[in-house]
Amino acid sequence: QKEVEQDPGPLSVPEGAIVSLNCTYSNSAFQYFMWYRQYSRKGPELLMYTYSSGNKEDGRFTAQVDKSSKYISLFIRDSQPSDSATYLCAMSAGVAGGTSYGKLTFGQGTILTVHP
Amino acid sequence: DAGITQSPRHKVTETGTPVTLRCHQTENHRYMYWYRQDPGHGLRLIHYSYGVKDTDKGEVSDGYSVSRSKTEDFLLTLESATSSQTSVYFCAILREKDYGYTFGSGTRLTVV
Repeated sequence: QKEVEQDPGPLSVPEGAIVSLNCTYSNSAFQYFMWYRQYSRKGPELLMYTYSSGNKEDGRFTAQVDKSSKYISLFIRDSQPSDSATYLCAMSAGVAGGTSYGKLTFGQGTILTVHP
Repeated sequence: DAGITQSPRHKVTETGTPVTLRCHQTENHRYMYWYRQDPGHGLRLIHYSYGVKDTDKGEVSDGYSVSRSKTEDFLLTLESATSSQTSVYFCAILREKDYGYTFGSGTRLTVV
């Protein structure tokens, strides 16, 4: 079983829909949680970053972390065709300044298409 | 993109030949990483570096070696390329201010 599980989709929604993307994980040491967005033939780019449990909002995007359930989510409100991309969750247990700092474990990625 | 470049962008090589991929950064970041991306597997860590001459193995390090002789360059070598190493390779640096990665544009490697 993989340390981080993410439904690869693909997920297709109409413009304006609310999108929910999710990941589960098994390593209770994870404390840094991220969502990356990757457009076709590009490198991933950081979308949201959360430390430990809780919610974080940035414009149309909301990230939630529930460490008790080992479950993280990304919500996209009022989705746009420009949101069409692969979304990757990532997480880390690295201690600041240590040699393993910044080592991320990624989910498989969910392919999202928002059609007009 | 944000001071990180990968070369080459595309490469086709024959089975059994050595291949070296280069990652170059201009922002003096301490931590650098090599990942490979394959369908159904997401991004998997090959090797990483936490300083000059300081490197360690990741999840899928077999058949790969790395070197970091100066802060700005992190090299990934496939010692004897195999078809299973056909993949897209991404280099990344860690931005310590926000714990985010900046990825390079990737190297698309095909081993025939």
